[in-house]
Amino acid sequence: DAMVIQNPRYQVTQFGKPVTLSCSQTLNHNVMYWYQQKSSQAPKLLFHYYDKDFNNEADTPDNFQSRRPNTSFCFLDIRSPGLGDAAMYLCATSLRDANQPQHFGDGTRLSIL
Amino acid sequence: GENVEQHPSTLSVQEGDSAVIKCTYSDSASNYFPWYKQELGKRPQLIIDIRSNVGEKKDQRIAVTLNKTAKHFSLHITETQPEDSAVYFCAATPYNTDKLIFGTGTRLQVFP
Repeated sequence: DAMVIQNPRYQVTQFGKPVTLSCSQTLNHNVMYWYQQKSSQAPKLLFHYYDKDFNNEADTPDNFQSRRPNTSFCFLDIRSPGLGDAAMYLCATSLRDANQPQHFGDGTRLSIL
Repeated sequence: GENVEQHPSTLSVQEGDSAVIKCTYSDSASNYFPWYKQELGKRPQLIIDIRSNVGEKKDQRIAVTLNKTAKHFSLHITETQPEDSAVYFCAATPYNTDKLIFGTGTRLQVFP
């Protein structure tokens, strides 16, 4: 009953080769998030959308971009992946309302060769 | 901005014992406090949450307490089982934001 679906589960790319990760949701939530998680660390918010309003975190590198073409889909583009970008990338969704939980996808594990 | 501290970073207990994980937050206006369980290689899963108008919430073996005055909240797991072994993250949502500010995580190991 996966409601936040991330594809692919595993992605391997070459150093400097652009890569796109995708996320879709069936919850009709108006907020979508992208997190980066490295082992043994908490998820780190990269950016989020409230509907089509994009909110970037101040310390998110310019190398990371995002698109949300409609309510259901959100993409993470890494323009020139470096070795330090190898991580688990988590998508999450929530309803913009008082105190609603975030629901996470299973993540995409990105490896850089 | 909000800052969430979480202790301990690792916790080992014997099966059947209780486990307690504590978090403190800095922004007194934060009003929502979820707890997530993350097993190795899997997604964070919400296990319980509490809102600022409530002091305690319980769901079977799991409970969360919130002390707004002291700005801390705790996760209590009773009768621990090996399948409780995971990393647990607390989080806080600052007032009027869509964000979660995570604690640094606690690795819980339950030994049979």
